[in-house]
Amino acid sequence: EAQVTQNPRYLITVTGKKLTVTCSQNMNHEYMSWYRQDPGLGLRQIYYSMNVEVTDKGDVPEGYKVSRKEKRNFPLILESPSPNQTSLYFCASRPPGQSLREQYFGPGTRLTVT
Amino acid sequence: AQSVAQPEDQVNVAEGNPLTVKCTYSVSGNPYLFWYVQYPNRGLQFLLKYITGDNLVKGSYGFEAEFNKSQTSFHLKKPSALVSDSALYFCAVRDRQAGTALIFGKGTTLSVSS
Repeated sequence: EAQVTQNPRYLITVTGKKLTVTCSQNMNHEYMSWYRQDPGLGLRQIYYSMNVEVTDKGDVPEGYKVSRKEKRNFPLILESPSPNQTSLYFCASRPPGQSLREQYFGPGTRLTVT
Repeated sequence: AQSVAQPEDQVNVAEGNPLTVKCTYSVSGNPYLFWYVQYPNRGLQFLLKYITGDNLVKGSYGFEAEFNKSQTSFHLKKPSALVSDSALYFCAVRDRQAGTALIFGKGTTLSVSS
C-alpha cells in the first residue's frame, strides 16, 4: 500500500530533551515536506526537500532540523524542544518534478513539550 | 506573497442540504488550487484540484469546486451533505510560475447535523 508513515504518533517530552520524528514514504517521491498544524493557523511548512541531500527552510524553520540521506526517509529533529513546539506535525510527499501534483500526508504526530 | 483565506471557522448544515465552504486566494501568477479534508485523528486527504481548463472541478466523495478567476475564489461545494462529511477542510494554493510552497488556509470545520 502506498503510504507515508510517521513515528511516533504521540509523544510527550520535556523541555530541552532532543527528539526525532521519523517519516518514511514508499512511493519513490522526490519531494518531501514537514508541516505543523496549530488551531487557527492551519498548516505551516517547516522544511522541505526536493531530493536526497537537498533541503530548504519553509515558513517556520526555527528550532527544527531535517536531513535527507535517503529518498524514502525525511526525519524531523528537535535539538532542544520548547513548549511552543507543542503541535501536531505532518509529513508529506509528492510525485517528482510537478508542482501541480497533490501531496500525500502521513497520519500525524502529536507532540507535547512540557 | 501567496495567501489563502477561509473566512468561516465553522459551517453548519443539515443533512441533505447543499453545502459551501469558501476559499479566496492571492498569488502573483496563475494558481494551482487544492482542497484537502482532515477527519478526526487522521492526516489530510486530497479531495480535488484546479490546474487548468474547466472552471468546475469534480473530486472525491461527491465534492466539487468552482474556480473563479475574477473573484480569486475556489469555493468547495456539495449538492447534498452527509453527516459523514463532518470534518476539517483546508484550501491550499501554489503559484505555478514561482513553483513555491503549498500555502494552506486556516481551515473550516464543517458540521453536518442529522
